Amino acid sequence: DQQVKQNSPSLSVQEGRISILNCDYTNSMFDYFLWYKKYPAEGPTFLISISSIKDKNEDGRFTVFLNKSAKHLSLHIVPSQPGDSAVYFCAANPLNAGNMLTFGGGTRLMVKP
Amino acid sequence: SQTIHQWPATLVQPVGSPLSLECTVEGTSNPNLYWYRQAAGRGLQLLFYSVGIGQISSEVPQNLSASRPQDRQFILSSKKLLLSDSGFYLCAWSTGSNEKLFFGSGTQLSVL
Repeated sequence: DQQVKQNSPSLSVQEGRISILNCDYTNSMFDYFLWYKKYPAEGPTFLISISSIKDKNEDGRFTVFLNKSAKHLSLHIVPSQPGDSAVYFCAANPLNAGNMLTFGGGTRLMVKP
Repeated sequence: SQTIHQWPATLVQPVGSPLSLECTVEGTSNPNLYWYRQAAGRGLQLLFYSVGIGQISSEVPQNLSASRPQDRQFILSSKKLLLSDSGFYLCAWSTGSNEKLFFGSGTQLSVL
């Protein structure tokens, strides 16, 4: 049973345009959400996070939106750059469960020059 | 600053052979430590986590085991590898709750 799902395995975007990566979750106990970026043969690196008390968090070109009622979050990258090409994982953490992150299956983003 | 070291980077092992992957963290005390696996084309699956020396919790039944002999050392082992053990293994650390995980560079394990 996948509690965190990224239904799009891949996404291709033109440089300069917006990239939107989506993530859905089923566990209503999740209250902290993170996005990680992963290059091939490397460990994931933290990108941005959001607490369930917020609906938006912005950091430079990256913005994460959270819709609790829909159990949906998205990552927006504007403008997209070729260096953004990587696999993006969303992850969720239940309240007071330590850092027991549940990860989605990942979305491979390809930004074309 | 905190750093995490994981080795080896790549490993090719025959079926039935033993396994030992090591991970160490520097620059922090009493971290939470984790082993994740990414199978080909799949997401990240939590295998083991530890909140202290000698304290290991397993998330999925499998052919693997973990140990934490020292505060900042986490070891992933197997007595006999299976083909299905192939994957990209990641060590990670964190402090506290609702804090992000910091991952090592990973070990690509191929069992042939």
